[in-house]
Amino acid sequence: NAGVTQTPKFQVLKTGQSMTLQCAQDMNHEYMSWYRQDPGMGLRLIHYSVGAGITDQGEVPNGYNVSRSTTEDFPLRLLSAAPSQTSVYFCASRSVNTEAFFGQGTRLTVV
Amino acid sequence: QQQVKQSPQSLIVQKGGISIINCAYENTAFDYFPWYQQFPGKGPALLIAIRPDVSEKKEGRFTISFNKSAKQFSLHIMDSQPGDSATYFCAASRASNTGKLIFGQGTTLQVKP
Repeated sequence: NAGVTQTPKFQVLKTGQSMTLQCAQDMNHEYMSWYRQDPGMGLRLIHYSVGAGITDQGEVPNGYNVSRSTTEDFPLRLLSAAPSQTSVYFCASRSVNTEAFFGQGTRLTVV
Repeated sequence: QQQVKQSPQSLIVQKGGISIINCAYENTAFDYFPWYQQFPGKGPALLIAIRPDVSEKKEGRFTISFNKSAKQFSLHIMDSQPGDSATYFCAASRASNTGKLIFGQGTTLQVKP
């Protein structure tokens, strides 16, 4: 039972590069979310989705894009990486009557 | 604007003691309040959660106390153990938008043997 799988686990980018963080869940959950975790700031919501084809912005959406073409996948795209996007990124999924399950995280460094 | 405020930022407790972490929220539309536990290098995992129709929920050594009028809720860890050493996050969401959890800043708990 894989749960929520994030890839890659670690990534170093140069300023201006783009990349996609992958997130997949095998629990058939409707809701998926992306958070970033920074010291002293908790987890802040970047984007979320309530179902395939439906996405919305969270607290800190600037510089990130998402799409949800399937129930299982919810990739996060960094369009032009900046040092301020150095963080640990977590993907989560849940259903109406379940808790939120988190992936193991992606540690991103932008130099 | 921080919709969920958590304190303290860090906490040191002796083994067997009580750990108390507090959270306050602003949005009265929130109606789901979970606590998450996170170990280094891992994602957060649900510890215990409460809805505002009850004032307290207990699961083993972990208790959530909820004060709707004050818009506050707290986590109590009884008989704290070194294995409880972790970062704890409170969160809140609206049932109509359950993909959107708003987290507090986190509390790093150290339980000394």
